[in-house]
Amino acid sequence: DSGVTQTPKHLITATGQRVTLRCSPRSGDLSVYWYQQSLDQGLQFLIQYYNGEERAKGNILERFSAQQFPDLHSELNLSSLELGDSALYFCASSVGREFLETQYFGPGTRLLVL
Amino acid sequence: DAKTTQPPSMDCAEGRAANLPCNHSTISGNEYVYWYRQIHSQGPQYIIHGLKNNETNEMASLIITEDRKSSTLILPHATLRDTAVYYCIVIAGANSKLTFGKGITLSVRP
Repeated sequence: DSGVTQTPKHLITATGQRVTLRCSPRSGDLSVYWYQQSLDQGLQFLIQYYNGEERAKGNILERFSAQQFPDLHSELNLSSLELGDSALYFCASSVGREFLETQYFGPGTRLLVL
Repeated sequence: DAKTTQPPSMDCAEGRAANLPCNHSTISGNEYVYWYRQIHSQGPQYIIHGLKNNETNEMASLIITEDRKSSTLILPHATLRDTAVYYCIVIAGANSKLTFGKGITLSVRP
């Protein structure tokens, strides 16, 4: 158990819909990272928040957005969903802001878009 | 960040050492070698990292060649639970990101 929690574990929705994935970091960790893992693209970094502020962006689509709240939990919002958005979404947390720090990954949310 | 090359798969017998190679011939002086693993569809798990010297922790050992162009992750006594995809990642500092390649699939056989 990494100490990072993600909800929900599974999500099934339809194309065009919007969903919100939630992540609670380990106690004391200030950074939250979001990753997407699909069969064809592998594990890809989407975005990082550090202490409430966006710090780094990866291959995140404009239809996706994220935020980190004062209690440090984070939400990833996916809108206008397409079939290709079906994937495992992981969040990770670390103490500081640098990618050199060890990241602790949650169990993931499996999203299926029908 | 430097690119890494790993064989797609390997296997080893339970109880034996598993030696997982990684090539990073374009690594620069300030880049670290990190290893993560992912057990089927679970979140990736940090294993170990190093810069120049060999490193050991409770999970594994990391051997980095003197020229730093390659490294080997050693699981000293592999168990069935070590069956996973192992990612070798090279990252530098402030603006680097954790970029996962295809990794190497380790299968531990009974």
